[in-house]
Amino acid sequence: AQSVTQLDSQVPVFEEAPVELRCNYSSSVSVYLFWYVQYPNQGLQLLLKYLSGSTLVKGINGFEAEFNKSQTSFHLRKPSVHISDTAEYFCAVRAGGYQKVTFGIGTKLQVIP
Amino acid sequence: DGGITQSPKYLFRKEGQNVTLSCEQNLNHDAMYWYRQDPGQGLRLIYYSQIVNDFQKGDIAEGYSVSREKKESFPLTVTSAQKNPTAFYLCASSIDPLLQGADDGNQPQHFGDGTRLSIL
Repeated sequence: AQSVTQLDSQVPVFEEAPVELRCNYSSSVSVYLFWYVQYPNQGLQLLLKYLSGSTLVKGINGFEAEFNKSQTSFHLRKPSVHISDTAEYFCAVRAGGYQKVTFGIGTKLQVIP
Repeated sequence: DGGITQSPKYLFRKEGQNVTLSCEQNLNHDAMYWYRQDPGQGLRLIYYSQIVNDFQKGDIAEGYSVSREKKESFPLTVTSAQKNPTAFYLCASSIDPLLQGADDGNQPQHFGDGTRLSIL
């Protein structure tokens, strides 16, 4: 079985400040990890993904995430946020050999001018 | 451009009525998925299909039905047995990692723009 925990349901942050959105996962096998972004009334767009190799993954819109196997975490970071980053962010995991992807409950990022 | 098209964008259901949500993709993906999104609950898997003429129940399949007669299409029917159908429904597709091999397991899902279903 696999599961994902997003520790914060809402994160307010001032414009141009750094942000970290936290994600922890559990799985008994190797995992593939993803971060998606959802703007209001739209589908999900892929920000970045991790399979193997370098633990620091860079994505679109200046976001990056770091895979930490010992802490089973995959936190998303951005050094300086913009108003346009206001959206809901979902962490997702697919365990190796399994078809299904499990999504976290989402974190709403609110960027304050 | 390749992508996933969901229609309609908004849909209203009357008591006792079945409604069908359309999902079409031109990405040549084998796998397709239906999710239900409710505030504060993330995405929950309703049904998925790895190949034409085959599909499996997800975590919340009760009150829903699907078909997969063509690779490009994966319609979802919300039946009258679904007592709380009001939600945002998302369709997705991907390369099937179980068919392509483990190295393709990092292939992400591509999402449509969703259908918002409400009760009249």
